Amino acid sequence: LAKTTQPISMDSYEGQEVNITCSHNNIATNDYITWYQQFPSQGPRFIIQGYKTKVTNEVASLFIPADRKSSTLSLPRVSLSDTAVYYCLVGSRDSNYQLIWGAGTKLIIKP
Amino acid sequence: IAGITQAPTSQILAAGRRMTLRCTQDMRHNAMYWYRQDLGLGLRLIHYSNTAGTTGKGEVPDGYSVSRANTDDFPLTLASAVPSQTSVYFCASSPELGAEAFFGQGTRLTVV
Repeated sequence: LAKTTQPISMDSYEGQEVNITCSHNNIATNDYITWYQQFPSQGPRFIIQGYKTKVTNEVASLFIPADRKSSTLSLPRVSLSDTAVYYCLVGSRDSNYQLIWGAGTKLIIKP
Repeated sequence: IAGITQAPTSQILAAGRRMTLRCTQDMRHNAMYWYRQDLGLGLRLIHYSNTAGTTGKGEVPDGYSVSRANTDDFPLTLASAVPSQTSVYFCASSPELGAEAFFGQGTRLTVV
């Protein structure tokens, strides 16, 4: 089971680009990398998922180097409402499904 | 738009009692999951289901059971609750195993 390591917390300011890096040295061939956002007293919300290289959607980009041992979630021009906990997950999508959630990164956006 | 519905939203339960947490989805997703989240920690997978009629164990399955009789419902049962099962329980579903998951609002369970 791949284990992920993320910074416990990060601070940034409104309008800035925020990059959160996740380490997953033991990622397996079949594993995908997924990021979720969670606000207090709410269930997590999917942000983005990727396997390799770069993935971009309307809210974020995910950068994955060739060795896939790490990944970086990039949030462009953050706002106060982006203050949340961000989780990096690594897991397969086959019948032996296991997904380990770490403690996440508490991102605080300041005015 | 309902998505994932969990019930109850909160419950105080005496130790030793049996409890079923309900989860219903209306998105016709194949995969469903149950997680627990303890204060200040990440989620831990309890059980999952790849499709109706099949279930699998997650990271922390002991003390919990699930069933998946149809596509929409995925109840989680605590046969004999213990205080260590005090937690927030989240149900989720996704079109297929490991894909983008949609979460319910959670059930806050306190076992005393």
